[in-house]
Amino acid sequence: KNEVEQSPQNLTAQEGEFITINCSYSVGISALHWLQQHPGGGIVSLFMLSSGKKKHGRLIATINIQEKHSSLHITASHPRDSAVYICAVIQGAQKLVFGQGTRLTINP
Amino acid sequence: SAVISQKPSRDICQRGTSLTIQCQVDSQVTMMFWYRQQPGQSLTLIATANQGSEATYESGFVIDKFPISRPNLTFSTLTVSNLSPEDSSIYLCSTGPNYGYTFGSGTRLTVV
Repeated sequence: KNEVEQSPQNLTAQEGEFITINCSYSVGISALHWLQQHPGGGIVSLFMLSSGKKKHGRLIATINIQEKHSSLHITASHPRDSAVYICAVIQGAQKLVFGQGTRLTINP
Repeated sequence: SAVISQKPSRDICQRGTSLTIQCQVDSQVTMMFWYRQQPGQSLTLIATANQGSEATYESGFVIDKFPISRPNLTFSTLTVSNLSPEDSSIYLCSTGPNYGYTFGSGTRLTVV
C-alpha cells in the first residue's frame, strides 16, 4: 500500500463543475503539498499546508491532520484547469513523498 | 520562492549514450533534489544533492548510473548514463523546504 493515496485517479467533468480531489496518507508528516503538472512535465506548487484551509482564487485546499486526509477543491472549473494534480507529503525535515496523481480533464 | 531553469526540456538519445541535465537556480539553495517520473507514474526521488558533499542516493539508484554534480549553491547537474529504453522518463529537479520546493520545468528523455 502506498504511503500517499489519491482519489480519483482520473476525473472528467464539464466546465463550471465543482471538483474535489482527495488525498489520504498513512505516515507522520510536517506538511502537505498540492502540486499541478501540465502536459509538458513542469510542476507548480499550488499549496503547502499543515493545518486548516487555504484558498487561492478558485482553488481551495483543506487538511485534517487527525484524519490524515486532505482535499483540493476547484470551483467553477475551466478547461485550463486540465492537468495532473499531485499530493505530496513532507516527511521529517525535507523529503517529499508523492501520491500517484489525479488526471483532471475539464471539457468545454 | 526560487526560480529554476532546467535544460534541456526534451531530448531523444541513442542507447548506450548519456544525457546531462542542468538546473540553474536564481537563489543560493542548500539542498536540491532530483526526481524521475516514469510514464504514467508519479515522481520518485533519485537523490539529494548538497553543495560540497556527495549526493545521497535513494534505494535503487546508484552513482554510476546517475552521477550528480553540485559545484555551487545555484547549480546542479544530473547525468543519466549508459542509456536504455527503460530510462525514458521525465526528470525533474527541485529546491528544498527553505525555498518552497520549487520545481524545474522537467526534461523529457526518450531513449531509442
